[in-house]
Amino acid sequence: GESVGLHLPTLSVQEGDNSIINCAYSNSASDYFIWYKQESGKGPQFIIDIRSNMDKRQGQRVTVLLNKTVKHLSLQIAATQPGDSAVYFCAEKLGGGFKTIFGAGTRLFVKA
Amino acid sequence: DAGVIQSPRHEVTEMGQEVTLRCKPISGHDYLFWYRQTMMRGLELLIYFNNNVPIDDSGMPEDRFSAKMPNASFSTLKIQPSEPRDSAVYFCASSPIAGPAGHEQFFGPGTRLTVL
Repeated sequence: GESVGLHLPTLSVQEGDNSIINCAYSNSASDYFIWYKQESGKGPQFIIDIRSNMDKRQGQRVTVLLNKTVKHLSLQIAATQPGDSAVYFCAEKLGGGFKTIFGAGTRLFVKA
Repeated sequence: DAGVIQSPRHEVTEMGQEVTLRCKPISGHDYLFWYRQTMMRGLELLIYFNNNVPIDDSGMPEDRFSAKMPNASFSTLKIQPSEPRDSAVYFCASSPIAGPAGHEQFFGPGTRLTVL
């Protein structure tokens, strides 16, 4: 049989509520932090990014917060919708190049 | 515009066989990435190219894996010989030249590889 695989953290929210997905990163030399969304059977899709010299960036219904002191990144989704159900990955782009390291991911379930 | 195109979408092969995965990046994008996704290890960067030149191949697991980009519109990832532990979904992604949007990567639909 198969070995135990990566057990994704899961967040379950009610439709219309706000969601907060958290991520810890490890590399202080990263110059950009990015959030991707991956729906079942598809490739990851870019949501929003933040440069390392910023603390907050807002997009459409999404906000990313960066706390460099504790190496923590979060994605806030306002008024979560069923279409937001997916796995969300944080990623860090190492400075000086394009090497990007992805986190393990968080699965978001939106209950109608 | 067509996004990143990968072929085949599914590949089933037997251990020891050669496997070739193909990718057509978005036209005008200067960077191309190959990733592998498994339940055990998540999404891992294998190699990336800039203007058809390999820049970082530190993620390539072993010599059985090789990647080429003969021109700006085509790349291959080859596994020879394949092993059951190579079973995974392989993604190709492309990105425009560095700039405000340069770090956004556009992913293809992936190739699901099963090695029996």
